[in-house]
Amino acid sequence: DTAVSQTPKYLVTQMGNDKSIKCEQNLGHDTMYWYKQDSKKFLKIMFSYNNKELIINETVPNRFSPKSPDKAHLNLHINSLELGDSAVYFCASSQGPDVGPYEQYFGPGTRLTVT
Amino acid sequence: SQKIEQNSEALNIQEGKTATLTCNYTNYSPAYLQWYRQDPGRGPVFLLLIRENEKEKRKERLKVTFDTTLKQSLFHITASQPADSATYLCASPRDTGRRALTFGSGTRLQVQP
Repeated sequence: DTAVSQTPKYLVTQMGNDKSIKCEQNLGHDTMYWYKQDSKKFLKIMFSYNNKELIINETVPNRFSPKSPDKAHLNLHINSLELGDSAVYFCASSQGPDVGPYEQYFGPGTRLTVT
Repeated sequence: SQKIEQNSEALNIQEGKTATLTCNYTNYSPAYLQWYRQDPGRGPVFLLLIRENEKEKRKERLKVTFDTTLKQSLFHITASQPADSATYLCASPRDTGRRALTFGSGTRLQVQP
């Protein structure tokens, strides 16, 4: 039983295209996140949703738009993809209304390659 | 905001020895620190959380310490095994009032049989 799942696992696309990554958690958690892990392995928060409400929106280009249809799902849509968007994107979830002292459960990641 | 520093050089040790990884934070004193393990091609997995009022936390062969004077947390794996080989990430609340974690870049541990 996968706790946090993401699709697709790999995504190869050309510059200028629009793509989406889907995330689902079956843990009953209230908060979900999107992180970007670059080539230097730093994990950086992009967005956070609590019960479908956006609570963190980092300095991310507005080409990135998260959507939470319900509290178990948080999708990431990226418009006009650029080379610099190539990275691994992780979805995560945690209980509680904010990051608090709660462990985060991560998905397997989506490796996005923009050519 | 908070900055987390971990030794980016890989740590190589022999099986059976104790591995010690360091996490330094540079700005405000966090209410807690978290440690995660990340294997290649996988998402991070939570290991331990230690609060600022706890000097030490243990879980099986893992031990974490929190020294607010040194602004440092140490992560120990005793009786290390090749299966412990992975990258270990330290994380802190990014700053007071903000609802995000900031992660270090991680330290890669290689346990030789």
